[in-house]
Amino acid sequence: GAGVSQSPSNKVTEKGKDVELRCDPISGHTALYWYRQSLGQGLEFLIYFQGNSAPDKSGLPSDRFSAERTGGSVSTLTIQRTQQEDSAVYLCASSQLRGGAYEQYFGPGTRLTVT
Amino acid sequence: GIQVEQSPPDLILQEGANSTLRCNFSDSVNNLQWFHQNPWGQLINLFYIPSGTKQNGRLSATTVATERYSLLYISSSQTTDSGVYFCAASANFGNEKLTFGTGTRLTIIP
Repeated sequence: GAGVSQSPSNKVTEKGKDVELRCDPISGHTALYWYRQSLGQGLEFLIYFQGNSAPDKSGLPSDRFSAERTGGSVSTLTIQRTQQEDSAVYLCASSQLRGGAYEQYFGPGTRLTVT
Repeated sequence: GIQVEQSPPDLILQEGANSTLRCNFSDSVNNLQWFHQNPWGQLINLFYIPSGTKQNGRLSATTVATERYSLLYISSSQTTDSGVYFCAASANFGNEKLTFGTGTRLTIIP
């Protein structure tokens, strides 16, 4: 079946602008995660959604970052007033409980460049 | 939170050689995954292996949960095996946010 999809694949924005990144998880997957990969910080967790539960926002680096998940499916990560240090690849993953396991599958990522 | 360390950071091998990549983790894990990041940045799932041994073609992995390490074996390396290999682990059941190691960059020379 279809994997995790993300859009756009690349985004260049000016410092101070807002950006929205989209993630479509694998159909039927109840858990959705956002991570980012940057040169200085490696791969790091940002936020987690599971069903109708309150999201785990513990990885968001500042209050400029927010995310929502509508209808238990598509998710949008919003970065307000972008800064150069926000430049990174933003990765989305989804998973579902199967046989006691929550194996995560990743999308291709959105490469964000803040100029 | 859990700490994940990978070694070696870089590995250069001739085509046909075998390799072993190591992942140490600091706590009991509920989820441990190995990924290969291809040149386009996509994370490819290799193994979901919080314990035990699995094999898939030329690749195999073993996790010894009681000693808090996992090994990824690549046999008869091919140039297409080149790339960065990541180990990621979670100690939380139900919210399995992954902590990633810093990766091993594998380069296979023809």
